[in-house]
Amino acid sequence: NAGVTQTPKFQVLKTGQSMTLQCAQDMNHNSMYWYRQDPGMGLRLIYYSASEGTTDKGEVPNGYNVSRLNKREFSLRLESAAPSQTSVYFCASSGVTGLSILLSAFFGQGTRLTVV
Amino acid sequence: GDSVTQMEGPVTLSEEAFLTINCTYTATGYPSLFWYVQYPGEGLQLLLKATKADDKGSNKGFEATYRKETTSFHLEKGSVQVSDSAVYFCALTPFYNQGGKLIFGQGTELSVKP
Repeated sequence: NAGVTQTPKFQVLKTGQSMTLQCAQDMNHNSMYWYRQDPGMGLRLIYYSASEGTTDKGEVPNGYNVSRLNKREFSLRLESAAPSQTSVYFCASSGVTGLSILLSAFFGQGTRLTVV
Repeated sequence: GDSVTQMEGPVTLSEEAFLTINCTYTATGYPSLFWYVQYPGEGLQLLLKATKADDKGSNKGFEATYRKETTSFHLEKGSVQVSDSAVYFCALTPFYNQGGKLIFGQGTELSVKP
């Protein structure tokens, strides 16, 4: 039972390069999220997808795009990386019970991205 | 908007000491409240949660009580171990539950010395 899987685990980019962070979950969850973690700031929501086919901006969406490819996969793309995007990125997913009670979020192991 | 404030770290304790990490929140209505833990080099794991006022969440010796009157959700443990060294995050999900997104505090680093 893998839970939430992110790739890659580490990445170094040059300013202006692009890349896509991949995330997949095997828990049949409807909702998926991308967060970034910066020292002293906790985790901040970049984008989320409440269900397959929908995406919405979070607190810090500028410079990012997302794709909810199917129910399992939610990718995050940096079109033109900037040093300010140096961070640790976490993907998470959550679902609901049969009584529509929200379950707690499960997190991936993170992607440590450095933009030079 | 909704927000979470945690006590600043790092917190350094000796083994078997009592732990309190303060967490207060600002939110409309009745959010759900969570504590997540992040061990070095890993992702976040749910530690405990409470979904309504006066609920007490507990797990692995940690406890936190949802106090609506003081808008607080302080984390406590009676006797910490070296293995509890980690970063602890307080978080909430707004009652209007926009897809279940979490709003986090800044995190509190705990270091337990033998």
